[in-house]
Amino acid sequence: EIVMTQSPATLSVSPGERATLSCRASQSVSSDLAWYQQKPGQAPRLLLYGASTRDTGIPARFSGSGSGTEFTLTISSLQSEDFAVYYCQQYNYYYTFGQGTKLEIK
Amino acid sequence: QVQLVESGGGLVKPGGSLRLSCAASGFTFSDYYMSWVRQAPGKGLEWISYISSSGGSIYYADSVKGRFTISRDTAKKSVYLQMNSLRAEDTAVYYCARGGQYAMRWFDPWGQGTLVIVSS
Repeated sequence: EIVMTQSPATLSVSPGERATLSCRASQSVSSDLAWYQQKPGQAPRLLLYGASTRDTGIPARFSGSGSGTEFTLTISSLQSEDFAVYYCQQYNYYYTFGQGTKLEIK
Repeated sequence: QVQLVESGGGLVKPGGSLRLSCAASGFTFSDYYMSWVRQAPGKGLEWISYISSSGGSIYYADSVKGRFTISRDTAKKSVYLQMNSLRAEDTAVYYCARGGQYAMRWFDPWGQGTLVIVSS
């Protein structure tokens, strides 16, 4: 099983600032990496796939980078609606998720 | 618009069974892979099964293999999850999610989820 590890577990950032979330795979997953946003009481929503391709309707302030085992999700200027839990997911070999990063208001 | 609506969750005793349904609309159901993903209370996400567009390819996570069965009905535009020999650790919100047309890769979109509680 490919283990996905996200850091930090909780990130406190002020609105308008940049947030950088990390995701590490226990072995290379190439660019087979997706990012999701989940708000309380809601289902996850796909943000990015292929490590860096934004899904339809996702604002340009969300960007992704990385390949192999190290990945980053960057939110360039945080809006109030961006405070949520973020998960990475690999689909190179079956499907596993990271444990999530909670992005909270500082 | 693309929509997935799960149903069938509830309270069940350990060792019991439950059948979840997911009704799809807004897209050509027969063209897409479908999956079930679950989330235990306050925990992260766990993929548990997928079925190919034709139904000919099915995979399960080890945690549910031999106990859960996924199926689909093209005429009803629905995917199902038959859950047998349920355990306390199966307690979770169960989401159905759409995959791709040629493979299961990322999950998009997701249904609203249905809660399964396994408790005596």
